[in-house]
Order: sequence, then structure tokens, then C-alpha cells
Amino acid sequence: KQEVTQIPAALSVPEGENLVLNCSFTDSAIYNLQWFRQDPGKGLTSLLLIQSSQREQTSGRLNASLDKSSGRSTLYIAASQPGDSATYLCATNSGYALNFGKGTSLLVTP
Amino acid sequence: GAGVSQSPSNKVTEKGKDVELRCDPISGHTALYWYRQSLGQGLEFLIYFQGNSAPDKSGLPSDRFSAERTGGSVSTLTIQRTQQEDSAVYLCASSYSGGAFQETQYFGPGTRLLVL
Repeated sequence: KQEVTQIPAALSVPEGENLVLNCSFTDSAIYNLQWFRQDPGKGLTSLLLIQSSQREQTSGRLNASLDKSSGRSTLYIAASQPGDSATYLCATNSGYALNFGKGTSLLVTP
Repeated sequence: GAGVSQSPSNKVTEKGKDVELRCDPISGHTALYWYRQSLGQGLEFLIYFQGNSAPDKSGLPSDRFSAERTGGSVSTLTIQRTQQEDSAVYLCASSYSGGAFQETQYFGPGTRLLVL
């Protein structure tokens, strides 16, 4: 069974810092990996999807990398802003069901 | 266009009562998924629909849980004889086809269920 782990569980940074969120998974037989954002009381918003054949994806200030062989993905957020405060979830896809980590709760302080 | 919608947004019920949760997927999406997010447990997969069929129901936690989808669109998740451990946020997602396993799943805002 796929196990997805996210470190750290919580992170607080001052505005403007660059930061890295980590995701590791135990089974490298995945089709893709997604990063989501969840705001309190809200659903999930997809940020980036990396196919298994890709190494990274970029969207604005976000960059996600994938190393299938080592079972790792990172989400890099450049020049963080208070509006980036949310919980970030990574999820692997080995079929149709997504396997989620428990998330990293990010707080960006002004 | 419109995203995935779920109703009700919040539901409080008494232990032992039945509840129905509704999901309206994005128009044209043939694949629909239900997940549950419990405090401290993270998100767990419940069931997957392709059209009106559910190829995989293995994530349903007990026989008190059932789901159906009609017209290839709206889905209802029913929990019978609710227990306090059923308290969670129930999230619905949809994707265009679900067959390629390469698609983004789009999530609704969820239904927060509290069983007293």
C-alpha cells in the first residue's frame, strides 16, 4: 500500500522567503503526482500535476519536482506571500484513487 | 465554467440517523470520486465511478456506506445508522474520463458531517 509522507507538518516563515515543502512516497509505480492547496473550510485546489515521465512543472512562483526512483517530490515556493498561507497536500496516482499525505500547514507572516 | 458542487455544506445529525450527501460534478466529466477527510487521518479514498458504474468500492469503510450515480452526473453518498466516527469532511472530485490516469481531479468544497 502506498504511503505518502509530508515533512514538515507545519511551517512558519516571514513574507518574502523562498521555501521548500517535501513529499516522499514508498511505491514508485505511479502515473503522476499532484500538489494541492487547501484553505480552511474549503476544498482542494490543484496547483501542479507532474506526470511520471516528467521531472518538474512550474506555475508562476511554484515549481514542483519529481524523482520517482527515490520516491520524492518537492514543492518550491518563491518569494512567499501571506496569501500563500494554507495547507499543502501532495498525492500520488497509481490508478484512479489518489493517495494523499497529511499535508504541510504553511503560515506566511507579514 | 461551474466547478464541482456539493450539498449540504454542513450537516449535523444524531447517532443512528441516515444521511445523504450530494455531489454535482463538472459537466462532461465521466469520472467521479468520493474521499473522506477525518481529523488527524488525512484524506482517504472511498469510491470511484466511471459513468454510472462503480468499478471500485473497496474504500467504503463499512456496509453502512453506499453510493450511487445516476445519468452519469449527480452522485449521492448515503451513510446509514451514522456513528460518531463517521464525523468528517466528505469530498467529491471529478475528472474528464478517468481512464488515462493522467488527469487532474477537481474537488468540490466538501460536506462537513458531525454526528452527535
